[in-house]
Amino acid sequence: DAKTTQPPSMDCAEGRAANLPCNHSTISGNEYVYWYRQIHSQGPQYIIHGLKNNETNEMASLIITEDRKSSTLILPHATLRDTAVYYCIVSEHGNQFYFGTGTSLTVIP
Amino acid sequence: GAGVSQTPSNKVTEKGKYVELRCDPISGHTALYWYRQSLGQGPEFLIYFQGTGAADDSGLPNDRFFAVRPEGSVSTLKIQRTERGDSAVYLCASSLDSGSYNEQFFGPGTRLTVL
Repeated sequence: DAKTTQPPSMDCAEGRAANLPCNHSTISGNEYVYWYRQIHSQGPQYIIHGLKNNETNEMASLIITEDRKSSTLILPHATLRDTAVYYCIVSEHGNQFYFGTGTSLTVIP
Repeated sequence: GAGVSQTPSNKVTEKGKYVELRCDPISGHTALYWYRQSLGQGPEFLIYFQGTGAADDSGLPNDRFFAVRPEGSVSTLKIQRTERGDSAVYLCASSLDSGSYNEQFFGPGTRLTVL
């Protein structure tokens, strides 16, 4: 069963930051937060993951609240190619992921 | 380098038939995962292997589903007596090792249609 709650859909203007929220109020101390995305007709693609601290890589930033009950994925300058379904996942061991239904992000020209 | 590949890309079969779906992981990856994805849903975990052994098969829906990885590389997902409800995209992923620091790399999937 998915342990996360995400809005079903969001829009973002091209070039603007996309902020995708995720609630994981039942997260345990050893569970990581992972983000993957799935572009239409492709397999999911890893974006970023974190435990407690905020993380940043070349794709995105991950902001985790101090109580770890929610997080936000930030795409700093969204492009049309970022249109995809974004999945927030919590997992202790990074093995069996439960994806849920994710957020369908549409980047608008 | 080559990513995860899956064959066939599409498979159409009749109810009651047996099918095999193949996954070739990234070379050197010891962990391999199977998921299935129904239309409009996120991927659903089925099983994962660490090396040759199934470390967790708790997601297999029933005993018609079975997966093997005899040499710790290529894996085959086998479905017996297929049913229309088995129609889905079957995704395979691999990672360098199991554990929280290891990114899963996904293949393009096999679309299975059971008529």
